[in-house]
Amino acid sequence: DAKTTQPPSMDCAEGRAANLPCNHSTISGNEYVYWYRQIHSQGPQYIIHGLKNNETNEMASLIITEDRKSSTLILPHATLRDTAVYYCIVSPNNAGNMLTFGGGTRLMVKP
Amino acid sequence: KAGVTQTPRYLIKTRGQQVTLSCSPISGHRSVSWYQQTPGQGLQFLFEYFSETQRNKGNFPGRFSGRQFSNSRSEMNVSTLELGDSALYLCASSSTPSEGDEQFFGPGTRLTVL
Repeated sequence: DAKTTQPPSMDCAEGRAANLPCNHSTISGNEYVYWYRQIHSQGPQYIIHGLKNNETNEMASLIITEDRKSSTLILPHATLRDTAVYYCIVSPNNAGNMLTFGGGTRLMVKP
Repeated sequence: KAGVTQTPRYLIKTRGQQVTLSCSPISGHRSVSWYQQTPGQGLQFLFEYFSETQRNKGNFPGRFSGRQFSNSRSEMNVSTLELGDSALYLCASSSTPSEGDEQFFGPGTRLTVL
């Protein structure tokens, strides 16, 4: 599976957009980009996923570059409750539910 | 709809013992996956079950095993416990093991091995 690289930590001011980058330069054509987050002491929570096109849902937007070698998760108006570790995962479409988590980005939203 | 439930939530065992953890998926979900989370190794995939069959297995020794029942509930077992097995064990469920199928994680079982 392709590996991902994320900054270990980021800060964001409450109410501002949080832009979390992820590098996946070795991604294959059949691999999807998933984002999960884990709030302290809880199980991970699915945020969004995509293959080629940009995606948006009620939680976030996912921007994937045209060459698919990197992506950005955007939380449009970060709140204190968005403080969490965010994981960017690439997984082939035949891997079922086997996710390979990396170190993630610890996002701290500050008032 | 009730979420994924895991029992017990906390467990203390001693080296050499064995332990069984239980996971009840969301109603209607047939795929269950297990993960181990430790401070040193992070979140690591253990195994995945769908319709009572193991579909994928992570890189863990044979002391780690699991099974799934006809009602989709799943159990994992760790035999001959070692200190390094102390971890948060997370269970996740989804409708099917298909691409893009959102996985819902339970709160985990925190296992401490003394």
